Amino acid sequence: RKEVEQDPGPFNVPEGATVAFNCTYSNSASQSFFWYRQDCRKEPKLLMSVYSSGNEDGRFTAQLNRASQYISLLIRDSKLSDSATYLCVVNMRRGGADGLTFGKGTHLIIQP
Amino acid sequence: DAGITQSPRHKVTETGTPVTLRCHQTENHRYMYWYRQDPGHGLRLIHYSYGVKDTDKGEVSDGYSVSRSKTEDFLLTLESATSSQTSVYFCAIRASSGQYEQYFGPGTRLTVT
Repeated sequence: RKEVEQDPGPFNVPEGATVAFNCTYSNSASQSFFWYRQDCRKEPKLLMSVYSSGNEDGRFTAQLNRASQYISLLIRDSKLSDSATYLCVVNMRRGGADGLTFGKGTHLIIQP
Repeated sequence: DAGITQSPRHKVTETGTPVTLRCHQTENHRYMYWYRQDPGHGLRLIHYSYGVKDTDKGEVSDGYSVSRSKTEDFLLTLESATSSQTSVYFCAIRASSGQYEQYFGPGTRLTVT
């Protein structure tokens, strides 16, 4: 089983729509969770950390379900500028000193 | 901006030649990482450092070595480059508190011909 799995997409979504991504992870002892955004030929950039109670940052909402080992990201009122690849990322160990584990990413295209 | 730079940003080299990539950070972070990114794969950890002269292997360390003689610099060396090492290489630092998220440099695009 792959450690972090995501639907690769692409998701083609009209501007203004709501879009949701899910991600599953294999290590039940994983400690912390993130969504990163990566634009074409750029570095990954932290979008948001994901907390057990769920958290929201503007149009973005992240949820964590430890029992089912999945993480979700919801984008409301999508903008053209949201077009990017979204990476689900997990710290497998406490503090993550030995690196993060990345999903392959979900490609999102917002259409005008 | 996490104050991370990478050099060179682009490089084309021939099979069998040695190559060194540099990562430089200005904020005195203890932990630094090298990842590679290839189509069809997520970012994969090559090596990481937890302090000056303290390094360890990651998931895909074969064919790579690293050095960290100063806090601010983390070097990745391909002793004898192969075509399978054609990739985009990202350096990262780890936040020292909170969720220990990582922040990435702009990347080095390496082509081995």
